[in-house]
Amino acid sequence: QQQVKQSPQSLIVQKGGISIINCAYENTAFDYFPWYQQFPGKGPALLIAIRPDVSEKKEGRFTISFNKSAKQFSLHIMDSQPGDSATYFCAASIADNQGGKLIFGQGTELSVKP
Amino acid sequence: NAGVTQTPKFQVLKTGQSMTLQCAQDMNHNSMYWYRQDPGMGLRLIYYSASEGTTDKGEVPNGYNVSRLNKREFSLRLESAAPSQTSVYFCASRLQGAGELFFGEGSRLTVL
Repeated sequence: QQQVKQSPQSLIVQKGGISIINCAYENTAFDYFPWYQQFPGKGPALLIAIRPDVSEKKEGRFTISFNKSAKQFSLHIMDSQPGDSATYFCAASIADNQGGKLIFGQGTELSVKP
Repeated sequence: NAGVTQTPKFQVLKTGQSMTLQCAQDMNHNSMYWYRQDPGMGLRLIYYSASEGTTDKGEVPNGYNVSRLNKREFSLRLESAAPSQTSVYFCASRLQGAGELFFGEGSRLTVL
């Protein structure tokens, strides 16, 4: 059962453009929503994360928008650069004392063309 | 500072063979996880260990076993490998049940 659905599967953006990746979740108990970035041959690394008490979080060129009622959240990459070309994963978890299992979306392969 | 270290990085097995993937972290984290990554499927949780001495099934546990050897080490065992277990395996850790998950660089396993 895929509890976090991510789209699109792949995305091509011109340098300087805006990249937008969307995710939807089912479990209303989720209370932590991170985005991870993965370069080829490497493990994923945390990019930015949000909790449901805020609707938006911005760190540099990266912004998470969160819509609790729609159970959706998205990653926006402003002024996209070739160095941003990577696979991006959204995820969700419940912060608890039982390990806080992180459930990932299917991933989006982003290619930024110069 | 090594972070999360996985061995081996590459392995080729024949159907029916067994093997163990090793994982160690030096960040004094309580929780450890094993994921597999397949094209179009994202990262799927196989097993996790919320704390030393405990292990639990994730989304896709069939065909795998785990051992939390101590606070630092969490191993994943394939008792009888199948071609469907061809994948890239990632070990990860975090301090407690929330916050940043730190990943190793992955172990690429091919089962013929």
